[in-house]
Amino acid sequence: GEDVEQSLFLSVREGDSSVINCTYTDSSSTYLYWYKQEPGAGLQLLTYIFSNMDMKQDQRLTVLLNKKDKHLSLRIADTQTGDSAIYFCAEQGQAGTALIFGKGTTLSVSS
Amino acid sequence: DTGVSQDPRHKITKRGQNVTFRCDPISEHNRLYWYRQTLGQGPEFLTYFQNEAQLEKSRLLSDRFSAERPKGSFSTLEIQRTEQGDSAMYLCASSRQIYEQYFGPGTRLTVT
Repeated sequence: GEDVEQSLFLSVREGDSSVINCTYTDSSSTYLYWYKQEPGAGLQLLTYIFSNMDMKQDQRLTVLLNKKDKHLSLRIADTQTGDSAIYFCAEQGQAGTALIFGKGTTLSVSS
Repeated sequence: DTGVSQDPRHKITKRGQNVTFRCDPISEHNRLYWYRQTLGQGPEFLTYFQNEAQLEKSRLLSDRFSAERPKGSFSTLEIQRTEQGDSAMYLCASSRQIYEQYFGPGTRLTVT
């Protein structure tokens, strides 16, 4: 079955790099996503990666994909207090419709 | 582009009442999705429309739930005979392609 696992909490200091990890089970996943959710708000699409890629960089964000281990990570460089939020990893299967989300990783950034 | 909008943002209702939520997708996005998110969980898929056709429904979408997208633009999600277990954030998303789903701010439902 489909399942996405994430660690629940990560605490970093301002200016450090943050690395949020995710594992998924559906080897036929075509796209993998990272979303950010601030308290009481909807989800903001941060970035996504197609399954035939290993890495994608977008400004402070770097996504790494290891298809063999079904492992996805999001690195945020120079983490700021405004990055404090819940980060969700999601996979999208070959059917191409529903996103399957993890439970989210709460990132806390201290100054 | 203006983003996905949802109305209302908050709804408090008594158990047994019917509620209806509206979602306006980003213009020219022909794909529309509904998700439900409970506290401490990630969103769970409910249903998917391509234009006006409802092409996929999750097992979570019980008989008390119905969704429509009559003209292929806005969509409504109705819950009949609400139960306390229906309390959640209901999220709408839209996309032009098969990837890149953009989410609205959500409607928070509280059933008392």
